[in-house]
Amino acid sequence: NAGVTQTPKFQVLKTGQSMTLQCAQDMNHNSMYWYRQDPGMGLRLIYYSASEGTTDKGEVPNGYNVSRLNKREFSLRLESAAPSQTSVYFCASRDNQGEQFFGPGTRLTVL
Amino acid sequence: GQQLNQSPQSMFIQEGEDVSMNCTSSSIFNTWLWYKQDPGEGPVLLIALYKAGELTSNGRLTAQFGITRKDSFLNISASIPSDVGIYFCAGQVTSGSRLTFGEGTQLTVNP
Repeated sequence: NAGVTQTPKFQVLKTGQSMTLQCAQDMNHNSMYWYRQDPGMGLRLIYYSASEGTTDKGEVPNGYNVSRLNKREFSLRLESAAPSQTSVYFCASRDNQGEQFFGPGTRLTVL
Repeated sequence: GQQLNQSPQSMFIQEGEDVSMNCTSSSIFNTWLWYKQDPGEGPVLLIALYKAGELTSNGRLTAQFGITRKDSFLNISASIPSDVGIYFCAGQVTSGSRLTFGEGTQLTVNP
């Protein structure tokens, strides 16, 4: 089992560019999440998907969109990147006991 | 919304010392989780607590779920250099609800 995988690991964008962060899990979990991590602020939830075909906003959804392509994959899209979106992005999936398992992260810099 | 206050923000200790960190909340949680994040990696679950008053150990780590359901602490005994990282607490109201994360405690262990 690879667990939760994310691509890319690093990305540099110019303001206004778009990109999609990919996430996949092979643990057959229903729920998947996207977080951003900024210094001194812990992890903040951007969007989540309780099951295939559903998505909901989290704490900081503005500037992002998500797609739950199938049970395995949950992608995060930045349509027009801004410097405030420079961050480390983590995808996670949750098992039936409520424990979340995290991917290795994508480090995004927006110039 | 729910907030978690985690303290201390950072700790610098000598190898062999014991460490204690805690989280307090303005509202009740029914699950407390403690994660560790190594540099450049995603958070990894250390201990999960499901009942008020529960005391759970995982090797040199011990965590407790406060009886008021509004706090939790994590102790690390006899610290070693590989304990370096950021430790996060997270609270959950129900097993299906979102996690709320603390801001993290950055631990540095000097050999």
